[in-house]
Amino acid sequence: DTEVTQTPKHLVMGMTNKKSLKCEQHMGHRAMYWYKQKAKKPPELMFVYSYEKLSINESVPSRFSPECPNSSLLNLHLHALQPEDSALYLCASSQVPRLAASYEQYFGPGTRLTVT
Amino acid sequence: DAKTTQPNSMESNEEEPVHLPCNHSTISGTDYIHWYRQLPSQGPEYVIHGLTSNVNNRMASLAIAEDRKSSTLILHRATLRDAAVYYCILRDRGSGNTGKLIFGQGTTLQVKP
Repeated sequence: DTEVTQTPKHLVMGMTNKKSLKCEQHMGHRAMYWYKQKAKKPPELMFVYSYEKLSINESVPSRFSPECPNSSLLNLHLHALQPEDSALYLCASSQVPRLAASYEQYFGPGTRLTVT
Repeated sequence: DAKTTQPNSMESNEEEPVHLPCNHSTISGTDYIHWYRQLPSQGPEYVIHGLTSNVNNRMASLAIAEDRKSSTLILHRATLRDAAVYYCILRDRGSGNTGKLIFGQGTTLQVKP
């Protein structure tokens, strides 16, 4: 099974709402990632988790709060978002890269988020 | 992070080979060259990666210049399903276990029947 699943597929939320995006993989990968993609732009890295610990935060505003409760799950908690945060949010996973090897990332289909 | 330069768009005819170029003149000795593609309304999909030698897999071939300052992704027989945005990405081997990928603007490939 090489699938990364993301729920929900679509989400509409108001600026005062709190919501969460969920990502799941069962490939035994210990590295997981959140990316944000605006329309007609490339994906931008937000967070990297390695062995369930946050290893990279690309200066993402605190209204985005990631969580990795176990090696298969990755959540992105959203609070007080702005309309400009509307985008496709992509989750990915991979084996943990090593000095002598590089591994492919497997991406989910994304959650299309609209902030009103 | 080292940068890549790709043409904005390319066209190909179905069942013909496609050569997608990528320039990475500031590549360091520790950078892997990765290619991903993104079909419409889908997440990115891994295509191939390499370090120094040319690489082949079931999807494509990757030809890496001897000085590593450029590479070419080769699709041997384009199909309509290959219409996508193709991203050439350098991943720093020295970035440890972060797996950080920095996507450039990519090349939009159109395949004509």
